[in-house]
Amino acid sequence: QVQLQESGPGLVKPSQTLSLICTVSGGSISSGGYYWSWIRQHPGKGLEWIGYIYYSGDTYYNPSLTSRILISLDTSKNQFSLKLSSVSAADTAVYYCARGRLDTGWAFDIWGQGTMVTVSS
Amino acid sequence: EIVLTQSPGTLSLSPGERATLSCRASQSVSSTYLVWYQQKPGQAPRLLIYGAFGRATGIPDRFSGSGSGTDFTLTINRLEPEDFAVYYCQQYGSSPLWTFGQGTKVEIK
Repeated sequence: QVQLQESGPGLVKPSQTLSLICTVSGGSISSGGYYWSWIRQHPGKGLEWIGYIYYSGDTYYNPSLTSRILISLDTSKNQFSLKLSSVSAADTAVYYCARGRLDTGWAFDIWGQGTMVTVSS
Repeated sequence: EIVLTQSPGTLSLSPGERATLSCRASQSVSSTYLVWYQQKPGQAPRLLIYGAFGRATGIPDRFSGSGSGTDFTLTINRLEPEDFAVYYCQQYGSSPLWTFGQGTKVEIK
């Protein structure tokens, strides 16, 4: 059974770079048919898709964040990561990694538990 | 960008009642790419319905999805105590690829 687990600092200073890792267990991140994504949820708010990476290394980012995002893949560790630069308080949120699956119309069928990231000095 | 508007914002019902949740899109959405999730406090969203109608693995048949074009509905028959949660609709395909509705909270009356 595939599981996802986010890890990274829970506190980031303004203007610095937020870095998170998602570790995939129970399956290979190199399998086709999945978009490995990052999604965030501001406190008490709805969900915002950040970006995805495919096993080939292709990426696509939310246009509202694209200038600050880098998503990369480490197939040797079965991980993918998110870097969000120049953060501000507006980036305070719970960050989820999730798997978008082709045969469900790219629905996110598996999610990590989420990790809270606070941007504060 | 396709905007998904969910209504009502909050639905107050008793266990055993039927919940009807609406998701309206600002432009037509392919049914293939319309999804519903359930989220409980402190938990990640859980996939309920994909392709507007298909139940995800392990989802009870009291959950059903319907609709097409710009109007979609999630129906929960005979609410169980564990069904009280926030429900989100989501579409895939139009930039920024994935967008979510703002959510409907189903609370115990």
